[in-house]
Amino acid sequence: DAGVIQSPRHEVTEMGQEVTLRCKPISGHDYLFWYRQTMMRGLELLIYFNNNVPIDDSGMPEDRFSAKMPNASFSTLKIQPSEPRDSAVYFCASSLLGNQPQHFGDGTRLSIL
Amino acid sequence: AQKVTQAQTEISVVEKEDVTLDCVYETRDTTYYLFWYKQPPSGELVFLIRRNSFDEQNEISGRYSWNFQKSTSSFNFTITASQVVDSAVYFCALSEAKRETSGSRLTFGEGTQLTVNP
Repeated sequence: DAGVIQSPRHEVTEMGQEVTLRCKPISGHDYLFWYRQTMMRGLELLIYFNNNVPIDDSGMPEDRFSAKMPNASFSTLKIQPSEPRDSAVYFCASSLLGNQPQHFGDGTRLSIL
Repeated sequence: AQKVTQAQTEISVVEKEDVTLDCVYETRDTTYYLFWYKQPPSGELVFLIRRNSFDEQNEISGRYSWNFQKSTSSFNFTITASQVVDSAVYFCALSEAKRETSGSRLTFGEGTQLTVNP
């Protein structure tokens, strides 16, 4: 079975540009999570969805960040406008139920110049 | 608020040594779940184990074993006869949820960088 698929794997862009990260969860999983990993803050949850509905977005840093899940097989995390401090590895994860193990994608390494 | 502490930032051992990674957690809930994840140098996060708060039985999986003690709020991870391929960052995580089906935030510890030298 395919795991969680994220794209792109790497993204380098200039400050002020819009960035869109994409995620395809494991088929049949009802929960989808977006995390950010930095040296300073470690792994932190940004937002999660249940059945395509955002449940908890308290981790989203600010209005420049938005996430959508238009259907069960696709989610996006958008940053507009991007800033150098947004540079991080962004992970998407999915799980069958709320407290079942979360399965992570390979991450998107984002660099904002 | 929930919190996970992994006091060991880095551990270095020689191959075949046993090594224990410590994890201490804080939570007000009586129902919660504990996890361990491995992040090898390639960067992906790999699920290792999940434990719920009502199951204090220790678990062994090959060279890996886990010791869950509610009395000390600890969920330690031991690798027996370590190998170079065990080199990775290991994360302990906690989620609070009343029911299996309810969603919950995973709170991660800071991670322990394990280096196994040949």
